[in-house]
Amino acid sequence: GQQLNQSPQSMFIQEGEDVSMNCTSSSIFNTWLWYKQDPGEGPVLLIALYKAGELTSNGRLTAQFGITRKDSFLNISASIPSDVGIYFCAGQLGGSTLGRLYFGRGTQLTVWP
Amino acid sequence: DTGVSQDPRHKITKRGQNVTFRCDPISEHNRLYWYRQTLGQGPEFLTYFQNEAQLEKSRLLSDRFSAERPKGSFSTLEIQRTEQGDSAMYLCASSLRLGTGDWDGYTFGSGTRLTVV
Repeated sequence: GQQLNQSPQSMFIQEGEDVSMNCTSSSIFNTWLWYKQDPGEGPVLLIALYKAGELTSNGRLTAQFGITRKDSFLNISASIPSDVGIYFCAGQLGGSTLGRLYFGRGTQLTVWP
Repeated sequence: DTGVSQDPRHKITKRGQNVTFRCDPISEHNRLYWYRQTLGQGPEFLTYFQNEAQLEKSRLLSDRFSAERPKGSFSTLEIQRTEQGDSAMYLCASSLRLGTGDWDGYTFGSGTRLTVV
């Protein structure tokens, strides 16, 4: 199946710092999504991106759909303790209307007070 | 509407037993998906339905797995003759496919944690 390379695998930061994580693929995607997952729960959608070059914000979160359609990044500004969790990128293959998503392996974020 | 609902939240079963999970999607969503997630991995696609039609199945979905969505509303995922390797979180998601071909929303439930002993 398709591989999404998500990095970094984990991050340990202090409260108030900014965070950046990214996702790359060898294939073209027509949709990129970013999710956050807490232990024992399902992923929660943070931001959805539908067009190459699109830059979308959701509060302190900002995500961009790369121009090549093969990458995306997520930034979190002024992190707070409740930002702790696993962040996943997910994408839908270009040319597909089926809705199947491919996921990265996640970035584990730890925020120290 | 309270989102995607999955039942049970946890299931412990002995190897060789059959198990069935249920998913109730967001009511206006016409697409329903099943994913499996193991520790340290992102969710992996298993299958999806548009209304009652099962339109795609992953190679991960062996012959022991079957999913149904009989009336285009709730769905069930059954695993027969469970194996220890089936231990995972089984996630259900739903979305609405618009007439334009676009879709809106892609909401996951809280999952069913299966442990096969």
